[in-house]
Amino acid sequence: AQSVAQPEDQVNVAEGNPLTVKCTYSVSGNPYLFWYVQYPNRGLQFLLKYITGDNLVKGSYGFEAEFNKSQTSFHLKKPSALVSDSALYFCAVSSRSGGSYIPTFGRGTSLIVHP
Amino acid sequence: EAGVAQSPRYKIIEKRQSVAFWCNPISGHATLYWYQQILGQGPKLLIQFQNNGVVDDSQLPKDRFSAERLKGVDSTLKIQPAKLEDSAVYLCASSLSRGWQETQYFGPGTRLLVL
Repeated sequence: AQSVAQPEDQVNVAEGNPLTVKCTYSVSGNPYLFWYVQYPNRGLQFLLKYITGDNLVKGSYGFEAEFNKSQTSFHLKKPSALVSDSALYFCAVSSRSGGSYIPTFGRGTSLIVHP
Repeated sequence: EAGVAQSPRYKIIEKRQSVAFWCNPISGHATLYWYQQILGQGPKLLIQFQNNGVVDDSQLPKDRFSAERLKGVDSTLKIQPAKLEDSAVYLCASSLSRGWQETQYFGPGTRLLVL
């Protein structure tokens, strides 16, 4: 069975500092990896995804993530955090299992950027 | 481009009552998904449609949940009868095609409270 772990319930960072939101996964085949952001009372918004190719993936709003196969990680990063980045971030993994690609989402990490 | 529309945004019902949610995906998107997001958890896929056919409903509690997408566009998700543990946000998403590498676009969700 596939799984996703987001080990931190909350990440606090000062505005202008770099941020990292961690994600590790477990799948039996090749993974498809995604990051989504959720603002209060709104649905999830796609940030970026890794399917194949370059391990460093660049996405929306200046975010990027690095696929590390040996560490089974897909951490989300941004060089300089903004207060407006404060939101709930979800990592998700999908992989072919029994003919289907049902995605598994992590529990989410609340990012708080302080002015 | 209009996003994924969902209604109602909020619903409060008593246990054993029935409830229905409506979703209108992005125009031209063949694939539609319904997710359940319980407070403090990541979204969980309930059902996936490709046009008007069901691709995967393995995680749908079929004794009380049903969903349809009769004309391959709009979709409804029904719960009958509702239980207390059904209290959650129900998210609808759509994508151009069925591959899990495809980006999903989420609606704002319907927040259900079962008393």
